[in-house]
Formats: sequence, C-alpha cells, structure tokens
Amino acid sequence: LAKTTQPISMDSYEGQEVNITCSHNNIATNDYITWYQQFPSQGPRFIIQGYKTKVTNEVASLFIPADRKSSTLSLPRVSLSDTAVYYCLVGDPYNTDKLIFGTGTRLQVFP
Amino acid sequence: GAVVSQHPSRVICKSGTSVKIECRSLDFQATTMFWYRQFPKQSLMLMATSNEGSKATYEQGVEKDKFLINHASLTLSTLTVTSAHPEDSSFYICSARLWTSGSDEQFFGPGTRLTVL
Repeated sequence: LAKTTQPISMDSYEGQEVNITCSHNNIATNDYITWYQQFPSQGPRFIIQGYKTKVTNEVASLFIPADRKSSTLSLPRVSLSDTAVYYCLVGDPYNTDKLIFGTGTRLQVFP
Repeated sequence: GAVVSQHPSRVICKSGTSVKIECRSLDFQATTMFWYRQFPKQSLMLMATSNEGSKATYEQGVEKDKFLINHASLTLSTLTVTSAHPEDSSFYICSARLWTSGSDEQFFGPGTRLTVL
C-alpha cells in the first residue's frame, strides 16, 4: 500500500477555496486516490475518488497530475462546517483488503 | 447510500469488565468488516479485519485475546474488549466493505466512544 504525506494542518476563512495536497510517490498502476472527511467523534465519510486528471462532484474536485505522484483536493468556498480532518488514501479499490490511514490534514475554517 | 451502524455510541465501564461493540451493515451484506481505533487527535489505526464465518486477521501489535472479534453473519460483526483498562479508552470505528459490480467501497460506522474508569 502506497504511503501518503499530507500537511498536518491548514487554516482558511469562510468563502475561500481550499486546496489540500497529498504526496504518494509510490503509487501503483492499479491504485486510485480516495479522500475521506472526518468530523470529531464521527466515522470518516467518503468525499471523492479518482485515478487521473480531474474528478468533480457536488462536494469537491480532485486534481491528479499525469505522473500521479500527488493529488490535490479542492474545496470551493469553504464554510465553518467544513472544519474537519481530511484523509488521503491510495489503493486499488477493486482489490483493497484494508485502508491504511495516514496522519490526515486538520482544516480549520474561521469566520 | 450504504449505511453502517454501531451500538452503543458511547459506553463507560469499570476497569476489569468486558465491553461488546456491535457493527451492523443496515442495507447491504458485508463479508468483510474492519475495526479501527482512534485516540484523541490521532489518525485511525486499523486493528483487525473481520471476515464472515472465519477468524479475524489482526494487525501487528493488536492482542487477539483482548480484542475478540466475531463476524457471525453477513450484517453483523462484534468487537469485545475483554478486561478493559483505562488505556483501552478510545474511539472505536468499524467499516463494512461493499462489493458491487465494478465497485469496492468501504462505509464507516459512526464510532463508539469507550471510557474505562
């Protein structure tokens, strides 16, 4: 399972766009990149998953460069309720037996 | 979407007692469930993989005799913390794996807060 590296924490203000970058230099050919969000005292919640280029859903966008050694989660116009820990995971979703969580990025949104 | 529940949501017990935590997949069958532990301000740490009808697979450093896992049906896995001690106080989270055509996802429960006095 590829190891991931993320910033420990980030601060932002309401209404701003937040970009969280994750490094995964050892990503394998069959690996996808998945981001989860976790609020205090809750289980993680799936945000977005992608393999290459760009993926967008109603919550976020995921940008993956051609070499796939990193990825960026983009949260448009964050609000206070986006304050949470964001985890980047790398693995083969069609064969992954377990998820290994890294340190995650603690995002604090200020009014 | 797929829903996973946990019961109880929080439990307080005395040192030396055993505590059972249930993890249920409410609207799908899960042959594989996972148990995690999370200490304050730390990441989730995988404890074990629970497979229906077979023994659980424990991660290195996790005592199988202390953390008993039973996955007797396709919708229920239980984690029993035996002879709990204050250092076992933590947030325990389960997840259930859902296989569908062309997709393999994990859905997480809301977690159980265990406090051992």
